[in-house]
Amino acid sequence: GQQLNQSPQSMFIQEGEDVSMNCTSSSIFNTWLWYKQDPGEGPVLLIALYKAGELTSNGRLTAQFGITRKDSFLNISASIPSDVGIYFCAVPRGSGGSNYKLTFGKGTLLTVNP
Amino acid sequence: GAVVSQHPSRVICKSGTSVKIECRSLDFQATTMFWYRQFPKQSLMLMATSNEGSKATYEQGVEKDKFLINHASLTLSTLTVTSAHPEDSSFYICSAGDLYTQYFGPGTRLTVL
Repeated sequence: GQQLNQSPQSMFIQEGEDVSMNCTSSSIFNTWLWYKQDPGEGPVLLIALYKAGELTSNGRLTAQFGITRKDSFLNISASIPSDVGIYFCAVPRGSGGSNYKLTFGKGTLLTVNP
Repeated sequence: GAVVSQHPSRVICKSGTSVKIECRSLDFQATTMFWYRQFPKQSLMLMATSNEGSKATYEQGVEKDKFLINHASLTLSTLTVTSAHPEDSSFYICSAGDLYTQYFGPGTRLTVL
């Protein structure tokens, strides 16, 4: 089945530092999604990527859809304590309409030391 | 943006009882909703796809008689955990699609004693 390799598994950084995480797969995808999950909450969509090579920003977050369509990365610049949480990449494995089943990476746990 | 709500946010029940969890799309209609399960420090695992007006489709290994899903309207899907046991304790999350992306509910923490 489709598997996403997300790394790193966890990160411990100082406030103000930049962060980078990525997801890779052996399969090609047409969409890459990045979610953040706070403890005890559902995932919240951060960035959606729909085109190979696409670079999209959302505030201090920037994500890119790899040109090979097999990978994506997420960067967070100038991290702040509220960036703490688990970040997941996800890809749809369905086709057409809204009936997409999402496959998630294993997540990157981010800890920011103030 | 699209908003999905869940109720209750947390529930504690005795072993052997059944628990119903509701998932609502508040500002859009969803013919399809999804139910996930998440164990501590793990990723989300898709359990089933809830289809409005028809039977849910379950992922391999998920017991359909254990996890009953009803999608009676375009804004509501329910998951009933029947005869719950301690191993069913988990974080249950629903989602609803909006074109190419899904929006997630806040989750329901189920604890079975």
